[in-house]
Amino acid sequence: EEQLVESGGGLVQPGGSLRLSCAVSGFAFSTFSMNWVRQAPGKGLEWLSYISSSRSVIYYADSVKGRFTISRDNAESSLYLQMNSLRDEDTAVYYCAILIGSRLHWGHGTLVTVSS
Amino acid sequence: SYVLTQPPSVSVAPGQTARITCGGNNIGSKSVHWYQQKPGQAPGVVVYDDSDRPSGIPERFSGSNSGNTATLSISRVEAGDEADYYCQVWDGSSDHPVVFGGGTKLTVL
Repeated sequence: EEQLVESGGGLVQPGGSLRLSCAVSGFAFSTFSMNWVRQAPGKGLEWLSYISSSRSVIYYADSVKGRFTISRDNAESSLYLQMNSLRDEDTAVYYCAILIGSRLHWGHGTLVTVSS
Repeated sequence: SYVLTQPPSVSVAPGQTARITCGGNNIGSKSVHWYQQKPGQAPGVVVYDDSDRPSGIPERFSGSNSGNTATLSISRVEAGDEADYYCQVWDGSSDHPVVFGGGTKLTVL
């Protein structure tokens, strides 16, 4: 079964750090590009970051550039998002998404709450 | 970076056809994907590559794309179709390659 399972969300204070993980199964993970997308409460979808299959190409949205770092372990079929210097406005559900062609196949999401 | 524009809301009576638009500069030259998101759930694709449907998606869902507008059409709308719908394209010439529309709330009256 094709599955993406995010973990690592939770409550963190402003200025703190969190590392999200995404375990992928049912796909030839090492051949697919991956993305992180988030959705703040009551808001739309916001693309955050892209990493190519070989890790040679990485992109970030302006809102997280310099604070978030995307990475992947192809041997473990896992995607990561290291989030530093977290702000209140980073509160959201974070989704990992595999890029199939040019469309996305999504995980179920993990909630990150930034609050003191 | 590339911008996609959707109406914030569309309302339709049961049994009628709902049309949700997604506007972008020469969007007809890109492949457009449509996602449905119900409360508390992750988005799921209902139409991809402009007009293809994944297995399990009813034929009532269809898509078109030409010029500066892509359209998701839902015929014979049912109460269960009430959801948020997002269009998405891949802008390979950009360092912000995944682009979403702002989303459209479909309300079934």
